[in-house]
Amino acid sequence: DTEVTQTPKHLVMGMTNKKSLKCEQHMGHRAMYWYKQKAKKPPELMFVYSYEKLSINESVPSRFSPECPNSSLLNLHLHALQPEDSALYLCASSQEGKGATNEKLFFGSGTQLSVL
Amino acid sequence: ELKVEQNPLFLSMQEGKNYTIYCNYSTTSDRLYWYRQDPGKSLESLFVLLSNGAVKQEGRLMASLDTKARLSTLHITAAVHDLSATYFCASWEREYGNKLVFGAGTILRVKS
Repeated sequence: DTEVTQTPKHLVMGMTNKKSLKCEQHMGHRAMYWYKQKAKKPPELMFVYSYEKLSINESVPSRFSPECPNSSLLNLHLHALQPEDSALYLCASSQEGKGATNEKLFFGSGTQLSVL
Repeated sequence: ELKVEQNPLFLSMQEGKNYTIYCNYSTTSDRLYWYRQDPGKSLESLFVLLSNGAVKQEGRLMASLDTKARLSTLHITAAVHDLSATYFCASWEREYGNKLVFGAGTILRVKS
Protein backbone atom coordinates (compact mmCIF):
# COMPACT_ATOMS: atom_id res chain seq x y z
CA ASP A 1 0.00 0.00 0.00
CA THR A 2 1.71 3.19 -1.20
CA GLU A 3 -1.25 5.48 -0.68
CA VAL A 4 -1.75 8.58 1.36
CA THR A 5 -5.48 9.05 1.87
CA GLN A 6 -7.00 12.45 2.53
CA THR A 7 -10.56 13.32 3.51
CA PRO A 8 -12.64 15.14 2.59
CA LYS A 9 -11.75 15.78 -1.05
CA HIS A 10 -13.70 19.04 -1.10
CA LEU A 11 -14.70 21.33 1.76
CA VAL A 12 -16.64 24.58 1.81
CA MET A 13 -16.72 26.45 5.09
CA GLY A 14 -17.71 29.80 6.48
CA MET A 15 -15.30 32.04 8.35
CA THR A 16 -16.85 31.13 11.71
CA ASN A 17 -16.84 27.37 11.18
CA LYS A 18 -14.56 24.78 12.73
CA LYS A 19 -13.58 21.87 10.53
CA SER A 20 -10.82 19.28 10.29
CA LEU A 21 -8.85 17.74 7.45
CA LYS A 22 -7.69 14.16 7.85
CA CYS A 23 -4.77 12.24 6.41
CA GLU A 24 -3.83 8.58 6.78
CA GLN A 25 -0.98 6.36 5.55
CA HIS A 26 -0.10 2.73 6.17
CA MET A 27 3.39 2.63 4.70
CA GLY A 28 5.09 2.67 8.10
CA HIS A 29 6.35 6.18 7.49
CA ARG A 30 7.33 8.20 10.55
CA ALA A 31 7.17 11.66 8.99
CA MET A 32 4.01 13.43 7.85
CA TYR A 33 3.58 16.83 6.25
CA TRP A 34 0.96 19.46 5.51
CA TYR A 35 1.39 21.61 2.41
CA LYS A 36 -0.78 24.44 1.12
CA GLN A 37 -1.01 25.04 -2.62
CA LYS A 38 -2.66 28.01 -4.31
CA ALA A 39 -3.64 27.77 -7.95
CA LYS A 40 -0.69 27.84 -10.36
CA LYS A 41 1.79 27.99 -7.46
CA PRO A 42 4.12 25.41 -5.94
CA PRO A 43 3.23 23.65 -2.69
CA GLU A 44 4.25 25.59 0.42
CA LEU A 45 5.24 23.67 3.51
CA MET A 46 3.13 24.33 6.61
CA PHE A 47 4.01 21.67 9.19
CA VAL A 48 6.18 18.58 9.57
CA TYR A 49 5.76 15.83 12.14
CA SER A 50 8.59 13.39 12.67
CA TYR A 51 8.01 10.48 15.03
CA GLU A 52 4.74 12.11 16.10
CA LYS A 53 6.47 15.29 17.23
CA LEU A 54 6.09 18.63 15.51
CA SER A 55 9.49 19.32 13.97
CA ILE A 56 8.73 22.20 11.61
CA ASN A 57 6.12 24.96 11.81
CA GLU A 58 6.60 27.42 8.96
CA SER A 59 5.15 30.38 10.90
CA VAL A 60 1.62 29.29 10.08
CA PRO A 61 -1.23 31.35 11.63
CA SER A 62 -2.79 29.82 14.73
CA ARG A 63 -6.13 29.37 12.95
CA PHE A 64 -4.44 26.25 11.54
CA SER A 65 -3.75 23.65 14.22
CA PRO A 66 -2.05 20.36 13.34
CA GLU A 67 -2.38 17.16 15.31
CA CYS A 68 -0.64 13.81 14.95
CA PRO A 69 -2.54 11.25 17.08
CA ASN A 70 -0.26 8.41 15.95
CA SER A 71 2.30 7.69 13.26
CA SER A 72 -0.37 6.81 10.69
CA LEU A 73 -2.70 9.76 11.17
CA LEU A 74 -2.40 13.48 10.68
CA ASN A 75 -5.12 16.06 11.19
CA LEU A 76 -5.35 19.74 10.42
CA HIS A 77 -7.89 21.62 12.52
CA LEU A 78 -9.31 24.76 10.96
CA HIS A 79 -10.96 27.62 12.84
CA ALA A 80 -11.90 31.17 11.87
CA LEU A 81 -10.32 30.93 8.45
CA GLN A 82 -10.17 33.77 5.95
CA PRO A 83 -11.14 33.66 2.26
CA GLU A 84 -7.44 33.88 1.33
CA ASP A 85 -6.95 30.50 3.02
CA SER A 86 -8.85 28.88 0.15
CA ALA A 87 -6.41 26.46 -1.48
CA LEU A 88 -5.55 22.82 -2.09
CA TYR A 89 -4.21 21.27 1.12
CA LEU A 90 -1.88 18.38 0.51
CA CYS A 91 -0.73 15.80 3.00
CA ALA A 92 2.46 13.83 2.44
CA SER A 93 4.47 11.19 4.23
CA SER A 94 8.06 9.95 4.09
CA GLN A 95 10.29 7.50 5.85
CA GLU A 96 11.60 9.64 8.72
CA GLY A 97 11.67 13.34 7.77
CA LYS A 98 15.37 13.59 8.56
CA GLY A 99 16.60 13.97 5.00
CA ALA A 100 18.12 10.53 4.59
CA THR A 101 19.44 9.78 1.12
CA ASN A 102 16.47 7.60 0.24
CA GLU A 103 13.89 9.98 1.68
CA LYS A 104 10.96 10.37 -0.70
CA LEU A 105 7.66 12.13 -0.16
CA PHE A 106 4.40 10.47 -1.12
CA PHE A 107 1.52 12.90 -1.56
CA GLY A 108 -2.19 12.45 -1.00
CA SER A 109 -4.78 13.66 -3.50
CA GLY A 110 -5.50 16.75 -1.42
CA THR A 111 -8.48 18.59 0.02
CA GLN A 112 -9.77 21.51 -2.04
CA LEU A 113 -10.85 24.06 0.55
CA SER A 114 -13.08 27.05 -0.13
CA VAL A 115 -13.65 29.62 2.61
CA LEU A 116 -16.68 31.85 2.10
CA GLU B 1 18.20 29.33 2.68
CA LEU B 2 17.76 27.03 -0.30
CA LYS B 3 16.15 28.54 -3.37
CA VAL B 4 15.02 26.50 -6.36
CA GLU B 5 14.43 28.17 -9.72
CA GLN B 6 12.83 26.63 -12.77
CA ASN B 7 12.65 27.84 -16.31
CA PRO B 8 10.73 28.24 -18.38
CA LEU B 9 7.61 28.76 -16.28
CA PHE B 10 5.35 28.11 -19.23
CA LEU B 11 6.08 25.95 -22.24
CA SER B 12 3.83 25.44 -25.23
CA MET B 13 5.12 22.89 -27.70
CA GLN B 14 3.96 20.90 -30.67
CA GLU B 15 3.59 17.16 -30.55
CA GLY B 16 6.70 15.38 -31.71
CA LYS B 17 9.10 18.13 -30.65
CA ASN B 18 11.87 17.98 -28.04
CA TYR B 19 12.45 20.41 -25.22
CA THR B 20 14.25 20.79 -21.89
CA ILE B 21 13.14 22.22 -18.54
CA TYR B 22 15.89 23.58 -16.32
CA CYS B 23 16.10 23.59 -12.54
CA ASN B 24 18.78 25.52 -10.63
CA TYR B 25 19.21 25.42 -6.87
CA SER B 26 21.15 27.80 -4.70
CA THR B 27 23.07 25.74 -2.15
CA THR B 28 24.79 22.39 -2.08
CA SER B 29 22.32 19.54 -2.20
CA ASP B 30 22.80 15.83 -2.68
CA ARG B 31 19.48 15.08 -4.28
CA LEU B 32 16.87 16.47 -6.63
CA TYR B 33 13.27 15.43 -7.19
CA TRP B 34 10.92 15.85 -10.15
CA TYR B 35 7.14 15.75 -9.73
CA ARG B 36 4.24 15.95 -12.14
CA GLN B 37 0.89 17.50 -11.26
CA ASP B 38 -2.31 17.42 -13.32
CA PRO B 39 -4.86 20.21 -12.68
CA GLY B 40 -6.60 19.81 -9.32
CA LYS B 41 -4.70 16.62 -8.62
CA SER B 42 -1.92 15.49 -6.35
CA LEU B 43 1.80 15.37 -7.07
CA GLU B 44 3.14 12.27 -8.77
CA SER B 45 6.80 11.44 -8.18
CA LEU B 46 8.70 11.10 -11.46
CA PHE B 47 12.38 10.91 -10.57
CA VAL B 48 14.71 11.05 -7.59
CA LEU B 49 18.29 11.94 -8.54
CA LEU B 50 20.77 11.12 -5.81
CA SER B 51 24.25 11.78 -7.13
CA ASN B 52 26.26 13.91 -9.49
CA GLY B 53 25.88 12.68 -13.04
CA ALA B 54 22.74 10.71 -12.25
CA VAL B 55 20.49 10.16 -15.25
CA LYS B 56 17.07 8.53 -15.16
CA GLN B 57 14.62 7.87 -17.96
CA GLU B 58 10.98 6.93 -18.04
CA GLY B 59 9.26 6.85 -21.40
CA ARG B 60 9.68 10.22 -23.13
CA LEU B 61 11.12 11.93 -20.04
CA MET B 62 14.77 11.92 -19.02
CA ALA B 63 16.17 13.70 -15.97
CA SER B 64 19.78 14.45 -15.10
CA LEU B 65 21.67 16.04 -12.22
CA ASP B 66 24.89 18.07 -12.16
CA THR B 67 25.62 18.86 -8.52
CA LYS B 68 28.68 20.95 -9.36
CA ALA B 69 26.63 23.28 -11.55
CA ARG B 70 23.65 22.94 -9.15
CA LEU B 71 21.52 22.13 -12.17
CA SER B 72 19.01 19.48 -13.07
CA THR B 73 17.31 19.09 -16.43
CA LEU B 74 14.13 17.35 -17.50
CA HIS B 75 14.28 16.51 -21.20
CA ILE B 76 11.13 15.75 -23.16
CA THR B 77 11.54 13.69 -26.30
CA ALA B 78 8.90 13.63 -29.07
CA ALA B 79 6.23 15.21 -26.88
CA VAL B 80 2.69 13.85 -26.85
CA HIS B 81 -0.50 15.51 -25.59
CA ASP B 82 -0.63 13.27 -22.50
CA LEU B 83 2.50 14.95 -21.16
CA SER B 84 0.58 18.19 -20.66
CA ALA B 85 0.83 18.96 -16.92
CA THR B 86 2.78 21.08 -14.46
CA TYR B 87 6.27 19.83 -13.64
CA PHE B 88 7.98 20.75 -10.38
CA CYS B 89 11.55 20.20 -9.36
CA ALA B 90 12.41 20.16 -5.67
CA SER B 91 15.53 19.92 -3.57
CA TRP B 92 16.11 18.92 0.03
CA GLU B 93 16.93 21.75 2.43
CA ARG B 94 19.16 20.61 5.28
CA GLU B 95 20.49 23.78 6.83
CA TYR B 96 17.20 25.41 7.80
CA GLY B 97 15.22 22.34 8.77
CA ASN B 98 14.88 19.09 6.91
CA LYS B 99 12.33 19.85 4.24
CA LEU B 100 11.60 19.70 0.53
CA VAL B 101 11.73 23.05 -1.27
CA PHE B 102 9.90 23.33 -4.59
CA GLY B 103 10.59 25.36 -7.68
CA ALA B 104 7.80 27.49 -9.13
CA GLY B 105 6.77 24.83 -11.61
CA THR B 106 6.70 24.64 -15.40
CA ILE B 107 3.28 24.50 -17.06
CA LEU B 108 3.66 22.31 -20.14
CA ARG B 109 1.06 22.37 -22.91
CA VAL B 110 1.54 19.99 -25.81
CA LYS B 111 -0.52 20.91 -28.84
CA SER B 112 -1.77 18.33 -31.29
